[in-house]
Amino acid sequence: ELKVEQNPLFLSMQEGKNYTIYCNYSTTSDRLYWYRQDPGKSLESLFVLLSNGAVKQEGRLMASLDTKARLSTLHITAAVHDLSATYFCAVFSMDSNYQLIWGAGTKLIIKP
Amino acid sequence: DTEVTQTPKHLVMGMTNKKSLKCEQHMGHRAMYWYKQKAKKPPELMFVYSYEKLSINESVPSRFSPECPNSSLLNLHLHALQPEDSALYLCASSQPGTGESWAFFGQGTRLTVV
Repeated sequence: ELKVEQNPLFLSMQEGKNYTIYCNYSTTSDRLYWYRQDPGKSLESLFVLLSNGAVKQEGRLMASLDTKARLSTLHITAAVHDLSATYFCAVFSMDSNYQLIWGAGTKLIIKP
Repeated sequence: DTEVTQTPKHLVMGMTNKKSLKCEQHMGHRAMYWYKQKAKKPPELMFVYSYEKLSINESVPSRFSPECPNSSLLNLHLHALQPEDSALYLCASSQPGTGESWAFFGQGTRLTVV
């Protein structure tokens, strides 16, 4: 059974600092997604990572994938208040038959 | 057009009511999904339609009834719901198969059962 673990589940940080959210998964994956969710809102696609060593960047966010370690990271550089949200990773595997298997989410609060 | 459109955005219904949630996409995606999300939790998969056929039903109670009239539309019919069914209901679509296929989510319907 494919399991996805995120940590930390809650993160409070100051503006201008760097931090990393981790996403571990238990079996081989075909795709790994990162999503952002603001309170009461839907899910916004941030990144999809397909292959070992994949790195994608958008603004202050950078995501990477290590399929050998079954680990993805979401790195936040010089955080700003607008990045406060809950971040989910989700893994899609041929074994999961169209299902995205979700991490529990990381609630990120960035204080001005 | 890279949108998944859901209606209504908000719905309040009584336990004896019948209502429907609607979802539409025009990206040519052939997989469509219904998810339920409670506060502070990740989305829970309810149903998957692939090429307009129901391929996954995650042991959802029969008071939820999905329908896929064509490749662009997905409905969720609601009947005799319980207060614990109050949640954010999300529709998503993607292209089946491998590759950089995003799962696009609609804006959701906030459902309150009273």
